[in-house]
Amino acid sequence: AQSVTQLGSHVSVSEGALVLLRCNYSSSVPPYLFWYVQYPNQGLQLLLKYTSAATLVKGINGFEAEFKKSETSFHLTKPSAHMSDAAEYFCAVSEDFGNEKLTFGTGTRLTIIP
Amino acid sequence: DTGVSQDPRHKITKRGQNVTFRCDPISEHNRLYWYRQTLGQGPEFLTYFQNEAQLEKSRLLSDRFSAERPKGSFSTLEIQRTEQGDSAMYLCASSPRETYGYTFGSGTRLTVV
Repeated sequence: AQSVTQLGSHVSVSEGALVLLRCNYSSSVPPYLFWYVQYPNQGLQLLLKYTSAATLVKGINGFEAEFKKSETSFHLTKPSAHMSDAAEYFCAVSEDFGNEKLTFGTGTRLTIIP
Repeated sequence: DTGVSQDPRHKITKRGQNVTFRCDPISEHNRLYWYRQTLGQGPEFLTYFQNEAQLEKSRLLSDRFSAERPKGSFSTLEIQRTEQGDSAMYLCASSPRETYGYTFGSGTRLTVV
């Protein structure tokens, strides 16, 4: 069965500092991996996705993630944090080509310190 | 393209009452998903439609829950005899046929009192 672990339920970084949100997955087959962002009282917005093409994936709002099979990781990074990045971030995995049923992690709340 | 629309945004109901939520996906998205999100957790899969066919249901979806997608357009999720444990955000998402990644709606927040 597939699963996702997000290390750190809360992460705080200073404005302008590097953002690193960690995600490790467990999957019996090559996975499809996603990062979503959720602002308060909103649905989730897709940041980026890995679907077995390039291992370094660039997304919206300056975020990127690198798929590392040897580490079963898909960490999310952004070189310079902005106040508008404050939100909840979810990593998700899908094993099923064509179905896209996702298993989500428990989320990481990102706080930006002015 | 107006995105995925969910109605209502908020619903407060008394325990034991029935509630129904509606989701309007992006037009021409033939895949539609329902997820449930409780406080401090990630979304959990409930069910999935391809066009009008309900192809998968989670074991989370008890007999009190039913979902439909008539004519492959909008979808409804009904909860009968609501319980306090049903309090959650119910999220709908849609996706095109052969790409990956959903577009989520803003959700319906259900509070059972």
